[in-house]
Amino acid sequence: DVKVTQSSRYLVKRTGEKVFLECVQDMDHENMFWYRQDPGLGLRLIYFSYDVKMKEKGDIPEGYSVSREKKERFSLILESASTNQTSMYLCASGLAGASEQYFGPGTRLTVT
Amino acid sequence: DAKTTQPTSMDCAEGRAANLPCNHSTISGNEYVYWYRQIHSQGPQYIIHGLKNNETNEMASLIITEDRKSSTLILPHATLRDTAVYYCIVRRRRGSNYKLTFGKGTLLTVNP
Repeated sequence: DVKVTQSSRYLVKRTGEKVFLECVQDMDHENMFWYRQDPGLGLRLIYFSYDVKMKEKGDIPEGYSVSREKKERFSLILESASTNQTSMYLCASGLAGASEQYFGPGTRLTVT
Repeated sequence: DAKTTQPTSMDCAEGRAANLPCNHSTISGNEYVYWYRQIHSQGPQYIIHGLKNNETNEMASLIITEDRKSSTLILPHATLRDTAVYYCIVRRRRGSNYKLTFGKGTLLTVNP
């Protein structure tokens, strides 16, 4: 079974803090993704990575950065958290060239 | 990605088969039908995909009509844990656009 884990299920941070969300997959997938999901807005892609040290911006990269130093690990960084980044953050992974994506349990981030 | 239409909600009795329909009349020849589901407060879960033949795995069966304009996801013996929003997506299997976009999906409620 594919396993995608995320570092926290729930996180509360203050405005202006730097926030790290980590994602690890154990299936040797080339592709990894970060989405956020908000009521009424659906799933929106923040960044994805198709290889170690490679990344591409998704639809809403502003205010976020990512890091992929190892194949199994993909980190999302909020440089200076703001209240409008309160959301459910979902990490996913998948094989290169395939459309199936396997999601982690999500991190519900609240920025106060 | 081709547009899909699903009912907003459906009910099913526990232990019975749940049949979830999806219309995708504008599907093109190289597009697959994918199904995901999302249980409340969890990450989406990949279920199954198919091109034109019927497919079955340990979770569900996928029946695609001969003209490929519609499909049905079948959960053969629904349990309470199958209560979730089910998303039908039509997309190419291989391509540079990896972003997943979910529509509103069908909320399946399995009743005891």
